[in-house]
Order: sequence, then structure tokens, then C-alpha cells
Amino acid sequence: GENVEQHPSTLSVQEGDSAVIKCTYSDSASNYFPWYKQELGKGPQLIIDIRSNVGEKKDQRIAVTLNKTAKHFSLHITETQPEDSAVYFCAASRRDSWGKLQFGAGTQVVVTP
Amino acid sequence: EAGVAQSPRYKIIEKRQSVAFWCNPISGHATLYWYQQILGQGPKLLIQFQNNGVVDDSQLPKDRFSAERLKGVDSTLKIQPAKLEDSAVYLCASGGGSGNTIYFGEGSWLTVV
Repeated sequence: GENVEQHPSTLSVQEGDSAVIKCTYSDSASNYFPWYKQELGKGPQLIIDIRSNVGEKKDQRIAVTLNKTAKHFSLHITETQPEDSAVYFCAASRRDSWGKLQFGAGTQVVVTP
Repeated sequence: EAGVAQSPRYKIIEKRQSVAFWCNPISGHATLYWYQQILGQGPKLLIQFQNNGVVDDSQLPKDRFSAERLKGVDSTLKIQPAKLEDSAVYLCASGGGSGNTIYFGEGSWLTVV
């Protein structure tokens, strides 16, 4: 089955700096790659996603890149703000079972003022 | 639009007792999921429903866990008897709108003592 690895497990950045989280996946049939943000005591919230027919996607300060050949994808947050502090999860799923998300272990991001 | 609703938000039970969690998905979403999230880990799929039928329950510990989705809308997840290792957040999610995006509820936090 699919295995998703996520690095780093914790990331501390100064406000205004950029944060990058990287994930690798094992199943070459995976074609949907969402990123979720989870704040303490809340459920995961989708922040951006990318499908395998696209190499990069951007939404304001957030961008995701996908390298299908290398089987890795990354989340980039620019101009970080204290409210970006949370746990971020990457995930992957296949076209024939798009809802069966395989999650990474998560990255605790701390943005210090 | 209203999000995925879950209840109760918090539950503490003793081992060998039973517990039930309820989920109301986003209106119109045909697909409903139950995920288990153990502290410090990413969510793991327990069961997937399409309307009122089970699509995938391969990761559901069927000796103690059961789930149903009567009438293809609300769903209930039951654990009986509970074990200490069942302490986790139980997340309900739904999908089926445009883009096949999956939306999570706030979760039901279970502590088994």
C-alpha cells in the first residue's frame, strides 16, 4: 500500500520567513496530493491540493510543488505569520480511491514573532 | 454551507465500556469517512461509505468497531468493548462535491482509562 513520509517533524521559523515541508510517497498510482492544517483541538482543514497533471499550484502565500518522477511534493509558506502556527499534514491518494487518504506523520510549525 | 458535524466532542470511558460517535456530513455529500487519529500521528482511514453502502472497511477492527450509515446521510461509529489503545480522535469526513475534496469535522476525542 501507499506510504507517505513527511519531513521535518518540527519547524521553527521567524515571522516573515518562509517555511518548507517535504513529503515523499511510494505508490506511483497516487495522483491526488492535499495538504491539511490542523490547529489544536480542531479537525484537519484543507489548505491546498494538487493533482498529478499539474506541477505547481499557488494560493496567496501558500504553494505546492509536485515532482512525479521523484515521487515527492512540497508545501511552501511565504511571509509566515503567527497564525500559521499549527500541525501540517501531507496526504496522497489514488484516482480509483481518492478518498482513501494516506497521511504523513505531520509537521509542527511554530512561527515566532 | 454548514460543515461536517460530530458529537460528542469529548468522551472519557473505562476500558471494556462502549461508546458511540455520531456524524452528520455536508449536505449532498455521498461519501462519508471515519478516520482515527492517535496523538502525534496522521489520521488513518477506518471505513468509507458511499451513500449507505460500505466501500472499504479493511482497516476497521471489526471485533470491536462497527459503523453504519442508515439512509445514506448520518453515520454512527461504535466501539465495544473499548481498549486503552482506542484513545484517539475520531474524525468524520465527507466528500463528493466539485473536485472531490474531502472535508473533516472537528473530531470526537476519546480517552479510555
